[in-house]
Amino acid sequence: DTAVSQTPKYLVTQMGNDKSIKCEQNLGHDTMYWYKQDSKKFLKIMFSYNNKELIINETVPNRFSPKSPDKAHLNLHINSLELGDSAVYFCASSQGQYNSPLHFGNGTRLTVT
Amino acid sequence: RKEVEQDPGPFNVPEGATVAFNCTYSNSASQSFFWYRQDCRKEPKLLMSVYSSGNEDGRFTAQLNRASQYISLLIRDSKLSDSATYLCVVNPGGGFKTIFGAGTRLFVKA
Repeated sequence: DTAVSQTPKYLVTQMGNDKSIKCEQNLGHDTMYWYKQDSKKFLKIMFSYNNKELIINETVPNRFSPKSPDKAHLNLHINSLELGDSAVYFCASSQGQYNSPLHFGNGTRLTVT
Repeated sequence: RKEVEQDPGPFNVPEGATVAFNCTYSNSASQSFFWYRQDCRKEPKLLMSVYSSGNEDGRFTAQLNRASQYISLLIRDSKLSDSATYLCVVNPGGGFKTIFGAGTRLFVKA
């Protein structure tokens, strides 16, 4: 029973294309996140939603647009993909309180050629 | 200064060794602290939360020093399976934003 699942696991696409990554959690958590892990393995928060409301929007190009249709789902759409977007994107969820740990999906490895 | 800083390593230790990692954080108002473990090409997984009084989980001991703004992780009797990257994680302000350190790589060798 996967707690946080994201699809696809691998995504290879060309520059200029538009792509989406989907994430779903069945933990009943109120808060969901998108993190980006680049080639240097540094994990950086991109967005966070709490009960479908955007609460964190870090300095991310507006080509990236998150959407949360309900609190169990958080999708990420990326327009006009660039080479620098190549990374692993992790979805995560938490109960929402500051001392609640994050539960991660198994990541989407995006390669832009 | 980075919000969360860790020694990147790598630490190369033999099986059975004791190894310690330190992590410093810049925001003195930070509320909560965690250690995560990430295996190669996998997602980060919670190893343990770090409590003010320090806490232990089997071979793992975590400590928090608020005055010096650092947390530590001690691994005793290292196993081959402990080889991974250990991520120091801090919630700096009590909200939803959680900051990850760059990670410390550990290799345990037979």
